[in-house]
Amino acid sequence: KNQVEQSPQSLIILEGKNCTLQCNYTVSPFSNLRWYKQDTGRGPVSLTIMTFSENTKSNGRYTATLDADTKQSSLHITASQLSDSASYICVVSADDYKLSFGAGTTVTVRA
Amino acid sequence: SAVISQKPSRDICQRGTSLTIQCQVDSQVTMMFWYRQQPGQSLTLIATANQGSEATYESGFVIDKFPISRPNLTFSTLTVSNMSPEDSSIYLCSVQRSSTATDTQYFGPGTRLTVL
Repeated sequence: KNQVEQSPQSLIILEGKNCTLQCNYTVSPFSNLRWYKQDTGRGPVSLTIMTFSENTKSNGRYTATLDADTKQSSLHITASQLSDSASYICVVSADDYKLSFGAGTTVTVRA
Repeated sequence: SAVISQKPSRDICQRGTSLTIQCQVDSQVTMMFWYRQQPGQSLTLIATANQGSEATYESGFVIDKFPISRPNLTFSTLTVSNMSPEDSSIYLCSVQRSSTATDTQYFGPGTRLTVL
């Protein structure tokens, strides 16, 4: 069964600090890995999408990495802001459009 | 990107009744999907809405319970039939412009359903 595991389940950081979220997956075959941000009460919004050949991709203060050999990804948030408080979901796609979702990491940024 | 609207944004319903959720996209898209997100959990794909033909349902979801329509390339509906409290969830529509596996999936704001 294709699985996507995220850690930690939740974390609290102070405004201005950095943090890194982890994602391990067993989805096979592998097509691409996405990170989504979901604010409370909203639908997920795409942050990054990486294919097998890409090992890093940035979107503003968000930087995602991918190691397709070890089937691991991370999302690094730099200089966190209060608006970064959200759930961050790792999503892995096989060679079709179907997505396997992680349970998400809830990030709380405090002033 | 794609701008997606859903109606209603939320509803409270009595058990045994049905609710139809609408999803409208601002431009034509190839793929439309319906997801469910139960409280504190991640998203689960219910079905792929196919234009002009029956939807493709995932394991555990059936047409009698979740009938879906997709009359054109910008609109789809999901009906939650004969509701029970276990159907309380957020229902999300998502779209993808092409059928390419690497294309971005855009999500609507969701419909929060509470069944009493």
